[in-house]
Amino acid sequence: DTGVSQNPRHKITKRGQNVTFRCDPISEHNRLYWYRQTLGQGPEFLTYFQNEAQLEKSRLLSDRFSAERPKGSFSTLEIQRTEQGDSAMYLCASSSPYSRQGGSDTQYFGPGTRLTVL
Amino acid sequence: AQTVTQSQPEMSVQEAETVTLSCTYDTSENNYYLFWYKQPPSRQMILVIRQEAYKQQNATENRFSVNFQKAAKSFSLKISDSQLGDTAMYFCAFMKHAGSNYQLIWGAGTKLIIKP
Repeated sequence: DTGVSQNPRHKITKRGQNVTFRCDPISEHNRLYWYRQTLGQGPEFLTYFQNEAQLEKSRLLSDRFSAERPKGSFSTLEIQRTEQGDSAMYLCASSSPYSRQGGSDTQYFGPGTRLTVL
Repeated sequence: AQTVTQSQPEMSVQEAETVTLSCTYDTSENNYYLFWYKQPPSRQMILVIRQEAYKQQNATENRFSVNFQKAAKSFSLKISDSQLGDTAMYFCAFMKHAGSNYQLIWGAGTKLIIKP
């Protein structure tokens, strides 16, 4: 079990540029989640995949945000025309309904991608 | 809609002391999970402990235990024999155990500082 990985760990971009983040979940986990966390706050849910299907999107996910999980394995989160308000830590988590360690549907998190928009 | 409230923005205790972090939540659901996660400075979110709402017995994990009061919608975390490595942000989180979305609803966090 190699854990959830995210790339890049840090991204600095200029306002108006597009950015893409990648998340690789724990291999046997079929559920994948994206959250956004601003400094000193708890995470906020963005979107959720079960296998390759995107089943839920938060109203926080404006039309500038798009997420994919093309083969039910890794996922990408793209932000188009970035704004300074997009600066945050973007967290990815995965879970499985069949997981014994930690209990079913317990979410395990990656290290996050810290986005800074100048 | 579910909400999670952590009323203690920051706490500090001496090493080896016991500390209790508070969490209350609001829900009309009957089946759900509750979690405590820790987030050390500049490090990733780590699961501390999990509680199923249908279980009356409080969950324990080594030095970490919870006091789950379902009727009062309270879910506190007790850390015994605190260690310097326990210094972190601690988040309480709620998850429905029904439907098609298993998103976590989070509190604002409690910053815990363990002093040597």
